[in-house]
Amino acid sequence: TQLLEQSPQFLSIQEGENLTVYCNSSSVFSSLQWYRQEPGEGPVLLVTVVTGGEVKKLKRLTFQFGDARKDSSLHITAAQPGDTGLYLCAGAQPGGTSYGKLTFGQGTILTVHP
Amino acid sequence: GAGVSQSPSNKVTEKGKDVELRCDPISGHTALYWYRQRLGQGLEFLIYFQGNSAPDKSGLPSDRFSAERTGESVSTLTIQRTQQEDSAVYLCASSLSLGRDYEQYFGPGTRLTVT
Repeated sequence: TQLLEQSPQFLSIQEGENLTVYCNSSSVFSSLQWYRQEPGEGPVLLVTVVTGGEVKKLKRLTFQFGDARKDSSLHITAAQPGDTGLYLCAGAQPGGTSYGKLTFGQGTILTVHP
Repeated sequence: GAGVSQSPSNKVTEKGKDVELRCDPISGHTALYWYRQRLGQGLEFLIYFQGNSAPDKSGLPSDRFSAERTGESVSTLTIQRTQQEDSAVYLCASSLSLGRDYEQYFGPGTRLTVT
């Protein structure tokens, strides 16, 4: 069974601060996705990283996939209250009958105070 | 166009009763997924369909859980003899096809409370 360990579980910061969320596994994934979820809604995809060592930027968000495709990080620069939410990482299984199946981390609840 | 819809949005049931949860995927999406999410936690994979076939049922927690899909359309997740530990949000997602290159679009979920 592939597992994804996400940390920290909770993060409470002031507006303007920087933060990093980590997602680690002992298993290799074919891709790693990051989602953001608001209360009462389903997760919404932010980014997919596929290649080991890949770095993607989405405005103030920077996503990195580890060289060995076992870990990933999400870095937010100058956080804003609108960034508040549950952030989830998810790894896609490499193949077989589980092809396309996503394994999710436990999530990071981010609260950005004005 | 319309996104993934789920019904009911909330369901309160007594322990021991059966419940049926419904998912309407985005039109044209061949792959459909069911997940369970406990409060403030990540998603737990339950089952996925490619068309009306379910190649991987390994995530279903017990034989009280079953799911079916009619063609490439509606899917239902049935929980028999519900237990309190079944209380969670059940999320459905669909994607154009199966595989890492296809984004999964999630519905708003059904919040199930077993009393």
